[in-house]
Formats: sequence, structure tokens, C-alpha cells
Amino acid sequence: DGGITQSPKYLFRKEGQNVTLSCEQNLNHDAMYWYRQDPGQGLRLIYYSQIVNDFQKGDIAEGYSVSREKKESFPLTVTSAQKNPTAFYLCASGGGQGLQNEQFFGPGTRLTVL
Amino acid sequence: RKEVEQDPGPFNVPEGATVAFNCTYSNSASQSFFWYRQDCRKEPKLLMSVYSSGNEDGRFTAQLNRASQYISLLIRDSKLSDSATYLCVVNRGVNYGGSQGNLIFGKGTKLSVKP
Repeated sequence: DGGITQSPKYLFRKEGQNVTLSCEQNLNHDAMYWYRQDPGQGLRLIYYSQIVNDFQKGDIAEGYSVSREKKESFPLTVTSAQKNPTAFYLCASGGGQGLQNEQFFGPGTRLTVL
Repeated sequence: RKEVEQDPGPFNVPEGATVAFNCTYSNSASQSFFWYRQDCRKEPKLLMSVYSSGNEDGRFTAQLNRASQYISLLIRDSKLSDSATYLCVVNRGVNYGGSQGNLIFGKGTKLSVKP
């Protein structure tokens, strides 16, 4: 089955710890994205990558880091510098920057900082 | 003006009703438009793309008015399973310093269909 997987589904972290969220896709998409969603809010873009070994900051990149060493994988690290990390994190992939730029989402990771 | 603006609702309608959602966007350079559906505590799922000529998919009809920078979604014969939050989504467009293909998501309109 083609799709996007994220793990873990739920993650609990103590303050001061870094955590890494996994995102894998087998849709052969070039572009991958990370968003966070807070209750009652729209999705906000954290980082995106249009091609392997390249990524760009989105609107709220502070306190986060990413890598894109393989086309299929785009892990997100939430560092201790992120002041309010509790949120629903969504990974997406898509065909890129043309007009056919629909994005498809993984099931998300709920991160709670204790 | 917010980049993508939607009425948050909730829209409470009986089964079988017709309901319409509207959305406005601020960047006239946007060229791609979508409606996504998000169930509670789940990921957004693409419902349909929105084309200039308008398009229909079963009970769902999407319309685009570029002059007014306005997108609509019409749901006919509402089902209980249509209960969800509907997200209006547009691409940033060429005026954006980053990537024009990146998407901007509205906060969503909540629909509740009652028996």
C-alpha cells in the first residue's frame, strides 16, 4: 500500500529533552513537509524539502531541525529550544511546486511535554 | 486581511440538507485551490481540488471566483458521515518570498450533521 507513515502516534517528553519524529513515504514524492496544529488553529508550516539533501525553513522553524538524506524520509527533531512544543505534528508529501501540488498527510504524532 | 479566512461554524444541519461553506483568500497570485476534510484528532484528507470552471464530485461541488478571491464548497444531501471540519487551502503564489507551491490552510469550518 502506498502512503505516508509517522511514528510514534503519541509521544511524551520531559522538558529539556530533544525528540525526533519519524516520517516515511513510499509515494515517490519529491516534496515533503512538516506542520504543527494547535487546538482551534490552522496548520502552520515548520520545514519543507523539495528535493533530497535540501530543505527550507517554513513559518515557525525556531526550535526545530530536519534532515532529508533519503527521498522517502524526512525526520523532524523538536529541540529543547522550542518553547511550546505540545502540539499535533503532521507530515505531508506532494509532487512539488507545480500546479498539481496537492499534499497528502500521514496520521500525525501527538507530542506532549510533561 | 487574513491569508485564508473561513467561518469557523459550527454548522448544525439535519441529514439530507444542503450546506455551503465559503472561504476568502488574500493573495491574488494564488493559483491552486483545494478543500480538505479533517475528522476530529485525525489528519487532513484531500476532498477535492478546485478548478476555475468549477467542479463536481458526487454530492460535492466546488466553485472558484478569482475576481472576488472567493472559494465555495456545496454539499448536497448531507450524510451523518459528512460531519467533520472542512479546510480551505490555497497555494502561496508567486508574491511569496519562499516557495509559491507551499500551501496555506484555513482554520476550518466545522460541520455537524444530525439525524
